[in-house]
Amino acid sequence: DADVTQTPRNRITKTGKRIMLECSQTKGHDRMYWYRQDPGLGLRLIYYSFDVKDINKGEISDGYSVSRQAQAKFSLSLESAIPNQTALYFCATSDSDSYGYTFGSGTRLTVV
Amino acid sequence: RKEVEQDPGPFNVPEGATVAFNCTYSNSASQSFFWYRQDCRKEPKLLMSVYSSGNEDGRFTAQLNRASQYISLLIRDSKLSDSATYLCVVKIGADKLIFGTGTRLQVFP
Repeated sequence: DADVTQTPRNRITKTGKRIMLECSQTKGHDRMYWYRQDPGLGLRLIYYSFDVKDINKGEISDGYSVSRQAQAKFSLSLESAIPNQTALYFCATSDSDSYGYTFGSGTRLTVV
Repeated sequence: RKEVEQDPGPFNVPEGATVAFNCTYSNSASQSFFWYRQDCRKEPKLLMSVYSSGNEDGRFTAQLNRASQYISLLIRDSKLSDSATYLCVVKIGADKLIFGTGTRLQVFP
């Protein structure tokens, strides 16, 4: 099993719908992140969490919310999806001693 | 100005060539530096950290120049399997990574 699992892998949804992207990890890391990736813009941080009671906004949090249900689970919600939220979404984890992040395999979201 | 800037490429090189990528960062408080590799439609994966003294991992050499706020990655003896996008990444603060937009490398036979 993958260290960081994202579901769903692909999703097409309609404008105005609520959608949740889920992330779970088996690495035992405290820190979890949500990024989105768009062509020409690279990876941009949406939200991050350093532990279960800690939630922080990233550079592009508008239109998104998150929930850290447990150390291993961090979900991203789009309350009312809009077409410019069409992107590739990545969840990542790290611990305070690690030099890098471990990424999930991504969720490709299309809002029509 | 972007916090991390890279030449998007693509760099098209033949097998066996040596290729170098450069990256500049704007925040002088940046603490740690990395190169990630991302294959098409896949997740980024850590390639190597970049240390002030420079470091090497097989065919890959990374260099950091703090004074010029400049990072480089050198790939020697390019393989077809090196074809990917290479992301320059900078760590700022407690634990936030800022990603460049990536440089695409295509190695041809």
